[in-house]
Amino acid sequence: KQEVTQIPAALSVPEGENLVLNCSFTDSAIYNLQWFRQDPGKGLTSLLLIQSSQREQTSGRLNASLDKSSGRSTLYIAASQPGDSATYLCAVQGGKLIFGQGTELSVKP
Amino acid sequence: KAGVTQTPRYLIKTRGQQVTLSCSPISGHRSVSWYQQTPGQGLQFLFEYFSETQRNKGNFPGRFSGRQFSNSRSEMNVSTLELGDSALYLCASTPSTGFTDTQYFGPGTRLTVL
Repeated sequence: KQEVTQIPAALSVPEGENLVLNCSFTDSAIYNLQWFRQDPGKGLTSLLLIQSSQREQTSGRLNASLDKSSGRSTLYIAASQPGDSATYLCAVQGGKLIFGQGTELSVKP
Repeated sequence: KAGVTQTPRYLIKTRGQQVTLSCSPISGHRSVSWYQQTPGQGLQFLFEYFSETQRNKGNFPGRFSGRQFSNSRSEMNVSTLELGDSALYLCASTPSTGFTDTQYFGPGTRLTVL
């Protein structure tokens, strides 16, 4: 049974810091891994999708990596801003999306 | 292109009642998935529909059901509501199979069961 874990559960950083969010999964038989952002009470916004054959994807200040063999992914956020404050969720696709519990990020001005 | 829309956005029901939620996918998308989000359990997969057929189902009781119409719009129904059904219900759409494509989520329906 696929299990997805995200560490840390919460993170508070000052504006301008670079930061890394971690995601681990137990079953490497996945089609892809997706990172989402969720603002309080809202739906999910897709940030990056990494196919199982890829190692990383980049979009603006965001970079996500995938290591299937070790069951790990990281989301790197460069030069964080207060507007980045949200919950970040990773999800693995193996026929259905299995989500981690999320990392709640707070970026202080 | 319009995003995924869900109606209604908020619902208040009482125990024992039933409820129907609606999801309209992005134009051209044929796969619709439903998820339940609660503070305790997080985001959990309910079911997925593709071309009007349920293709995958999560571990939820039979009180949770869904369907998809020929225009790809989808509905989910919860019968005999329980307090624990209070949650944010999200739907997502993808262009085709859903296994390699990005999933695009709607804003959700917030269901409160009293």
